[in-house]
Amino acid sequence: EIVMTQSPATLSVSPGERATLSCRASQSVSSKLAWYQQKPGQAPRLLIYGASTRATGIPARFSGSGSGTEFTLTISSLQSEDFAVYYCQQYNNWPPLTFGGGTKVEIK
Amino acid sequence: QVQLQESGPGLVKPSQTLSLTCTVSGGSISSGGYYWSWIRQHPGKGLEWIGYIYYSGSTSYNPSLKRRVTISLDTSKNHFSLKLSSVTAADTAVYFCASWSILIGYEAFDSWGQGTMVTVSS
Repeated sequence: EIVMTQSPATLSVSPGERATLSCRASQSVSSKLAWYQQKPGQAPRLLIYGASTRATGIPARFSGSGSGTEFTLTISSLQSEDFAVYYCQQYNNWPPLTFGGGTKVEIK
Repeated sequence: QVQLQESGPGLVKPSQTLSLTCTVSGGSISSGGYYWSWIRQHPGKGLEWIGYIYYSGSTSYNPSLKRRVTISLDTSKNHFSLKLSSVTAADTAVYFCASWSILIGYEAFDSWGQGTMVTVSS
């Protein structure tokens, strides 16, 4: 099973600032990585797939990068609606599909 | 994208079987292109993939749950179902159904149900 590790667990950021979230895989997942955003009481929402492709309707301030074992989600200028928990997920080697533990982006 | 909605009991007794259904709207479960999936989230925790079923009936399960999980589908009702047997308090979680797109280059959970909380307690 591929283990996905996200850091930091919590990120405190002021509105308008940049947020950089990290995701590491225990072995290479090539570019088969997705990012999801989850707000309290809601289902996750797809942000990024293929490590760097934004899903339909996702604002350009969200960008993904990386390949192999190291990945980054960047939110260029945080808006109030971006404060949430973010999960990465690999789909290169499964079953099982595996998710990271999440990074909570909170208001500083 | 399709819409999904979970339904089922919110309370299950220990050792019994948890049963949930996910109704799909806005598309046919038989059309291919998706693995119909279940994912759960323990309170305050991350996401755990449970398994999927394809319209052909083929399935894949998380090895950690495989002994207790059955996913089935009913094309006439355009829904798929989850059964998890011999439940314990550790199975208390929010259960989501989701569609995993299998289109080459666009593989992801692109639609989710709102989730349903299931508590295991006597």
